[in-house]
Amino acid sequence: RKEVEQDPGPFNVPEGATVAFNCTYSNSASQSFFWYRQDCRKEPKLLMSVYSSGNEDGRFTAQLNRASQYISLLIRDSKLSDSATYLCVVRGNTGTASKLTFGTGTRLQVTL
Amino acid sequence: DAGITQSPRHKVTETGTPVTLRCHQTENHRYMYWYRQDPGHGLRLIHYSYGVKDTDKGEVSDGYSVSRSKTEDFLLTLESATSSQTSVYFCAISEQGGGELFFGEGSRLTVL
Repeated sequence: RKEVEQDPGPFNVPEGATVAFNCTYSNSASQSFFWYRQDCRKEPKLLMSVYSSGNEDGRFTAQLNRASQYISLLIRDSKLSDSATYLCVVRGNTGTASKLTFGTGTRLQVTL
Repeated sequence: DAGITQSPRHKVTETGTPVTLRCHQTENHRYMYWYRQDPGHGLRLIHYSYGVKDTDKGEVSDGYSVSRSKTEDFLLTLESATSSQTSVYFCAISEQGGGELFFGEGSRLTVL
């Protein structure tokens, strides 16, 4: 089983739709969680950290479910510019980013 | 955007030749990382640095070496390139070594 698993997609949604991605992780001792966004042939960029209580940033909502070991990302009112690959990142229980594990990403395509 | 640049951005080389990729930052961040990204794999850590002259191996370090003689520069060297090292290489920086990384634009290396 992979440490971090994501549905590769693609998720094809019309503009204005709500879409959600899940990411499962295998290490129950994982401490921190993040969503990154990566445009085609570009570098990953931090989208948001995921807090235990859940957090929201504009149209984006991230949730953590420790019991079931998954995190989710909800995008409301999708825009064409949201088209990208979304990477789930999990950090282990050590003090350095050497323990970051990246998922392979979920591709989102927003269409007119 | 964080001040981080990689060079060269594109390189084609032949098997057996040495290759050095350079990462330069202007943010004075303590932590620097080299990742590679390949289809079907998440970003995988090659080496990282937690200070000048302080480096450590990541999960895919075989065939790679690094050096950090100044805070701002982190070099990745392939002593004798192989076709399996054809990849996109990303440098990243972090102020505190957590999961919030800033990535460079990537260096696309092809080994023939």
